[in-house]
Amino acid sequence: GENVEQHPSTLSVQEGDSAVIKCTYSDSASNYFPWYKQELGKGPQLIIDIRSNVGEKKDQRIAVTLNKTAKHFSLHITETQPEDSAVYFCASREAAGNKLTFGGGTRVLVKP
Amino acid sequence: NAGVTQTPKFQVLKTGQSMTLQCAQDMNHNSMYWYRQDPGMGLRLIYYSASEGTTDKGEVPNGYNVSRLNKREFSLRLESAAPSQTSVYFCASRGWTDTQYFGPGTRLTVL
Repeated sequence: GENVEQHPSTLSVQEGDSAVIKCTYSDSASNYFPWYKQELGKGPQLIIDIRSNVGEKKDQRIAVTLNKTAKHFSLHITETQPEDSAVYFCASREAAGNKLTFGGGTRVLVKP
Repeated sequence: NAGVTQTPKFQVLKTGQSMTLQCAQDMNHNSMYWYRQDPGMGLRLIYYSASEGTTDKGEVPNGYNVSRLNKREFSLRLESAAPSQTSVYFCASRGWTDTQYFGPGTRLTVL
């Protein structure tokens, strides 16, 4: 089955700096890659996603890039703010599938 | 529109006890999922239901059973709880888009 690895497991950045989280996946048939943000005590919430026919997608301060050949995708957060502190999960889904496989998560701490 | 709701929020069980975690969604979604979240291991799929009347095993189904009671409700049952089942459990649902919507979670401790 699909395997998704996520790095780093923890990330501490100064407010205003950028944060980058990287994920690799194993199944070349995967075609949908969402990112979820989980705040303390809450369930994960989708923040951005990308499909395999697109190389990059942006939404204000967040962006996701996908390299299908290398089978990796990354989340970029620019101008980080304290409210960006949370746990972030990447995930992948195979074509025509109904299930997501999640990475292990990255705990991001933005220091004021 | 409450989204995905889960009960209870917290539960403590003794080894061997049974319990059912409840999940309901009011978004008319076809697919529903149960995950467990353990430190450093992300979210692992226990069972899912692609539509009313169907259920399928996920990555870690052993020790669990599920029931898709109707389109709204999807319950997870632990017949004989074990300490290894101490975790945070999340229910999610998905409609016609790709987005999965998660509930607030149930924190379960098995002593």
